Amino acid sequence: DAGITQSPRHKVTETGTPVTLRCHQTENHRYMYWYRQDPGHGLRLIHYSYGVKDTDKGEVSDGYSVSRSKTEDFLLTLESATSSQTSVYFCAISDGYTEAFFGQGTRLTVV
Amino acid sequence: GQQVMQIPQYQHVQEGEDFTTYCNSSTTLSNIQWYKQRPGGHPVFLIQLVKSGEVKKQKRLTFQFGEAKKNSSLHITATQTTDVGTYFCAGQGGTASKLTFGTGTRLQVTL
Repeated sequence: DAGITQSPRHKVTETGTPVTLRCHQTENHRYMYWYRQDPGHGLRLIHYSYGVKDTDKGEVSDGYSVSRSKTEDFLLTLESATSSQTSVYFCAISDGYTEAFFGQGTRLTVV
Repeated sequence: GQQVMQIPQYQHVQEGEDFTTYCNSSTTLSNIQWYKQRPGGHPVFLIQLVKSGEVKKQKRLTFQFGEAKKNSSLHITATQTTDVGTYFCAGQGGTASKLTFGTGTRLQVTL
């Protein structure tokens, strides 16, 4: 498996609290992505990065921010978690030309 | 923005029957990729198509990329219970750009 890990794997948090999910890679890939997966919606892109400090919004970016200060780490922050952000979050990495490799996912529940 | 739709959303077949899922993009793609996600797992890369009209085969799986590079299909011949999962297409609008996933087709196979 490609060297990509997500942490935490599971988290329960309260509405209104900030939450940060971490994605770490050891492949030195340029592209890193955050997706959320919800029944009936497939994988929706939240934010992605094409280099250190280079990020851009995806289709469902409202309520989320990201940071990439190092090639290997891509952080996703929910500034003030809401119940609508309960989801499974996947990080993926890619060289931008070929396949993407996915992390194991983070199951986030906002109560 | 770029949108990628898949049909059907769900299909239930008996083992030995064929299965096809269709992928349509709102914009022309530079390439299309296909992924499989087993229940409880993460998406795993199957194949990438780059050329207009391209057809690729992997054992019982046949992948096609449309002439206009806006649609694609995945056909499975004689399904097996090991084919169970959700199949996603994913498109890139340009080389080394963000990867947009389709809504996915969930395949259920019963004996």
